[in-house]
Amino acid sequence: DTGVSQDPRHKITKRGQNVTFRCDPISEHNRLYWYRQTLGQGPEFLTYFQNEAQLEKSRLLSDRFSAERPKGSFSTLEIQRTEQGDSAMYLCASSPSGLSYNEQFFGPGTRLTVL
Amino acid sequence: GESVGLHLPTLSVQEGDNSIINCAYSNSASDYFIWYKQESGKGPQFIIDIRSNMDKRQGQRVTVLLNKTVKHLSLQIAATQPGDSAVYFCAENPSSGGYNKLIFGAGTRLAVHP
Repeated sequence: DTGVSQDPRHKITKRGQNVTFRCDPISEHNRLYWYRQTLGQGPEFLTYFQNEAQLEKSRLLSDRFSAERPKGSFSTLEIQRTEQGDSAMYLCASSPSGLSYNEQFFGPGTRLTVL
Repeated sequence: GESVGLHLPTLSVQEGDNSIINCAYSNSASDYFIWYKQESGKGPQFIIDIRSNMDKRQGQRVTVLLNKTVKHLSLQIAATQPGDSAVYFCAENPSSGGYNKLIFGAGTRLAVHP
């Protein structure tokens, strides 16, 4: 399967703990995005990478959140000192770069539950 | 299993009928739009896209219509099948050029009955 993969698929943690999620985009895709989705809502943009450069961060991405893409391939999203309000599905997407618009291919997501 | 869109508006159709899902977008400067399908426990799946210089685009069994005057987007699914049951999201790209950050709408649940 050459689609976007995410790990883990599910994570249950206690409030105050740190968690880290991983995203492996489609191999030839330079652009990588993180979104958050809560029940009953559409995905909300969190951050965007062009290769290894993080070019935009949403206001939703508080100081407790950090994302990296050190080699321009896989990306990690870390949440420090988790809160119950962080419970959501975290989606990763990738797309090729270029002058024309391209669809974003989404991974299956990581479901986070903070107890 | 988990459920996407517990309190979303629902469109119920009979198998074989045509479905029309509507979406109002917010930014008049948006120049690219996508429809995604999301099944429970899965990430959004691309269906069809359209640029703002077009008002209609057709795919296999699907058609997207764009009315920029009233900022309205619709997805038409022909001969709806049980496998079409899912939550459908429209998304807009509010940026001109550069990368395509997407802003998603609230979604509509499509329920197909045999």
